[in-house]
Amino acid sequence: GDSVTQMEGPVTLSEEAFLTINCTYTATGYPSLFWYVQYPGEGLQLLLKATKADDKGSNKGFEATYRKETTSFHLEKGSVQVSDSAVYFCALSVTGNQFYFGTGTSLTVIP
Amino acid sequence: DTAVSQTPKYLVTQMGNDKSIKCEQNLGHDTMYWYKQDSKKFLKIMFSYNNKELIINETVPNRFSPKSPDKAHLNLHINSLELGDSAVYFCASSQGGAGTDTQYFGPGTRLTVL
Repeated sequence: GDSVTQMEGPVTLSEEAFLTINCTYTATGYPSLFWYVQYPGEGLQLLLKATKADDKGSNKGFEATYRKETTSFHLEKGSVQVSDSAVYFCALSVTGNQFYFGTGTSLTVIP
Repeated sequence: DTAVSQTPKYLVTQMGNDKSIKCEQNLGHDTMYWYKQDSKKFLKIMFSYNNKELIINETVPNRFSPKSPDKAHLNLHINSLELGDSAVYFCASSQGGAGTDTQYFGPGTRLTVL
């Protein structure tokens, strides 16, 4: 079945460090891939998405490239800020009515 | 303007009680969802409705009953609450059923069953 595997956290980084959160997927069709972010006490919000192979999604300095050959959608940011502290979820959807979320990776950025 | 709103934000109740959580979206979306997030942040879909029709009903106890009076609302009623129902429940909506659609989430309802 369809699923997402996400690197486990928590991740703690110093401000301005490079961030990578790994995400790999299994899908029977041609999924769209998403990264959602959840700030403390809030609901999830879309960070970026890619709808086909080789697409790169980007937003707020974050980016992820849809790699069909490695079934991956790793999230990267070159220089994290304290305000990036949140839980990050990788997700996929084949039909749209059904989303599969990863287990979430908690990121804490310290000054 | 709040795109997806849920009420209440916090709900504390005793085992065995019946409670409801309400969700409304003002985005004009056709599809709405309920998710459960456990204490480890694991997020799992419970239900999905498209234009008031049930599309997805995951293996959720039948104590949980969603109701969609119109496509802007999807309420969740829970009968005979159990300790294991304690979680944060998120409502979400999306434009349609396409795999490319972004989901918009509400702020969540933290349910605590004592």
